[in-house]
Amino acid sequence: GESVGLHLPTLSVQEGDNSIINCAYSNSASDYFIWYKQESGKGPQFIIDIRSNMDKRQGQRVTVLLNKTVKHLSLQIAATQPGDSAVYFCAENRGPLGDTGRRALTFGSGTRLQVQP
Amino acid sequence: DAGVTQSPTHLIKTRGQHVTLRCSPISGHKSVSWYQQVLGQGPQFIFQYYEKEERGRGNFPDRFSARQFPNYSSELNVNALLLGDSALYLCASSLGTLNTEAFFGQGTRLTVV
Repeated sequence: GESVGLHLPTLSVQEGDNSIINCAYSNSASDYFIWYKQESGKGPQFIIDIRSNMDKRQGQRVTVLLNKTVKHLSLQIAATQPGDSAVYFCAENRGPLGDTGRRALTFGSGTRLQVQP
Repeated sequence: DAGVTQSPTHLIKTRGQHVTLRCSPISGHKSVSWYQQVLGQGPQFIFQYYEKEERGRGNFPDRFSARQFPNYSSELNVNALLLGDSALYLCASSLGTLNTEAFFGQGTRLTVV
């Protein structure tokens, strides 16, 4: 079935380095994606989103890249800080039955980012 | 401004019991969605409500039900609890049904023993 998945369960980086978290999706009709950050004991926190009519979107220290040809997106975090340690999810926003009038978030299993001091 | 608030934060129930979880969305948001997050996995969609009507349902048994009130707050009910229902239950609030920029509460940790 259709799914959203991530490449690596855990990513370890040094403080100050750039982090890249990858995500693959299988539904070529998917047109809206959201990245969430989830710290231990908390709910997911919205980071940045991107629509299929864009290839790149930038926020504060974060950049999301979307490659529709290979159905892949990535989250880049610049100058990673200890506070960035968390589980990161990419979520696909689409209707459960492909109905664009009714949408829900389909999450992957997440990548745990560990920032080493 | 208050974010999405959920209550209770933690709950322990026995198999076969019933549970009610509550959610208050961000002021001005009319849509509430519920998600179940089992340890080590991403959240799974359960329900979406908008203007007090169910607008979407995930692949969950009929033991799960929900409703939305005139003030847009919502309740999630689970009957005949099973051990496998142990999870973090998340409520997400958004302006409309398109779930753009959905904001999550801190969740309710349900443990079924």
